[in-house]
Amino acid sequence: KNEVEQSPQNLTAQEGEFITINCSYSVGISALHWLQQHPGGGIVSLFMLSSGKKKHGRLIATINIQEKHSSLHITASHPRDSAVYICAVRSSGSARQLTFGSGTQLTVLP
Amino acid sequence: GAVVSQHPSRVICKSGTSVKIECRSLDFQATTMFWYRQFPKQSLMLMATSNEGSKATYEQGVEKDKFLINHASLTLSTLTVTSAHPEDSSFYICSAGGGTGYLSGTDTQYFGPGTRLTVL
Repeated sequence: KNEVEQSPQNLTAQEGEFITINCSYSVGISALHWLQQHPGGGIVSLFMLSSGKKKHGRLIATINIQEKHSSLHITASHPRDSAVYICAVRSSGSARQLTFGSGTQLTVLP
Repeated sequence: GAVVSQHPSRVICKSGTSVKIECRSLDFQATTMFWYRQFPKQSLMLMATSNEGSKATYEQGVEKDKFLINHASLTLSTLTVTSAHPEDSSFYICSAGGGTGYLSGTDTQYFGPGTRLTVL
């Protein structure tokens, strides 16, 4: 079992739909990151969470430490949101190394 | 937010040559830099962690003599792929963290745009 599991692996949505990507992890963590990788390869850090909820524009990230689960929500999705979304965790006590989920390929159709 | 650059963005080389990839933190001093590689349709795989002024810590299975990492300053780390072979073709990504100044104490990592290496 991977330490970080994401679901779904692939997600296709129509423009305007509300999207949820889930991340579950099995280790104690000090922080969880949501990353976005576009087809060109560059990675953008969207959020870093250690508790609660964060919002930036149409993106919302939540984390439940007790349940070891985080979700990334996209409201009013747009084709430009199409990308791979990656959940990564920093284990408690680690020297900042991240463990990555396998990613969720999101395609938003116009 | 902080910016991390990588150079070159793309490199094609012949088998047997060495390739150097630079990772720079442009507006902050990074005490720790990470090097990852990513194969098509796969997630990032950590290769090594480097702290400024000390030897890099390599992950299991990563040859330290093949992937030379130098982190000589707080703003620059380099990865040299020595005697590259076609199986080294991959997307190499660095990230910087553990910043000083206004970023000190944060867990945030800032990712470079990546370098696509193709070995013929």
